[in-house]
Amino acid sequence: EDKVVQSPLSLVVHEGDTVTLNCSYEVTNFRSLLWYKQEKKAPTFLFMLTSSGIEKKSGRLSSILDKKELFSILNITATQTGDSAVYLCAVMRGGSNYQLIWGAGTKLIIKP
Amino acid sequence: NAGVTQTPKFQVLKTGQSMTLQCAQDMNHEYMSWYRQDPGMGLRLIHYSVGAGITDQGEVPNGYNVSRSTTEDFPLRLLSAAPSQTSVYFCASSPWSGGETQYFGPGTRLLVL
Repeated sequence: EDKVVQSPLSLVVHEGDTVTLNCSYEVTNFRSLLWYKQEKKAPTFLFMLTSSGIEKKSGRLSSILDKKELFSILNITATQTGDSAVYLCAVMRGGSNYQLIWGAGTKLIIKP
Repeated sequence: NAGVTQTPKFQVLKTGQSMTLQCAQDMNHEYMSWYRQDPGMGLRLIHYSVGAGITDQGEVPNGYNVSRSTTEDFPLRLLSAAPSQTSVYFCASSPWSGGETQYFGPGTRLLVL
């Protein structure tokens, strides 16, 4: 059965800290891995990763994929209170059945 | 562009009632999907569509029907509501060429008593 597992489930840090969120997966016909940020409402897209070892970066956020070990990490440096959210990882299954398999998310709380 | 819109925002149903959750997008996306989100469980795919006239089941399709008569609209029908269907429902769309970058609607919060 395909699955995506995120860790930790929740994390509390202080403003300015650096955090690393983990996502491991077992998905047949892997096509891509995506990170989303969910605040109060709908998830918003952060990154899509398809190739191993190539870092995607956007401001203080960065992510990398390891297709051999089947995991990805999302790093956030110099955290701010606005980074508080649930971070979701999802893997797109390819072949004839395009479906995103979602992890349960990591709830990140940034204390001032 | 309005993006992905969903109505209603909130709904209370009694067990056994039926209703339709509406979803529309104005981005000419081929791929549309419905998810439910429950506490601690992430998003689970209910049904999806890769274009008008084409739908398929996701991970948790039981108790739900969909149709896709136009590119823009993808309604989700609850046939006979059950308390287990209390959840937040998200509709999402994506350009077919990518499929992955899904744009989400604001969600519908459903309570079944």
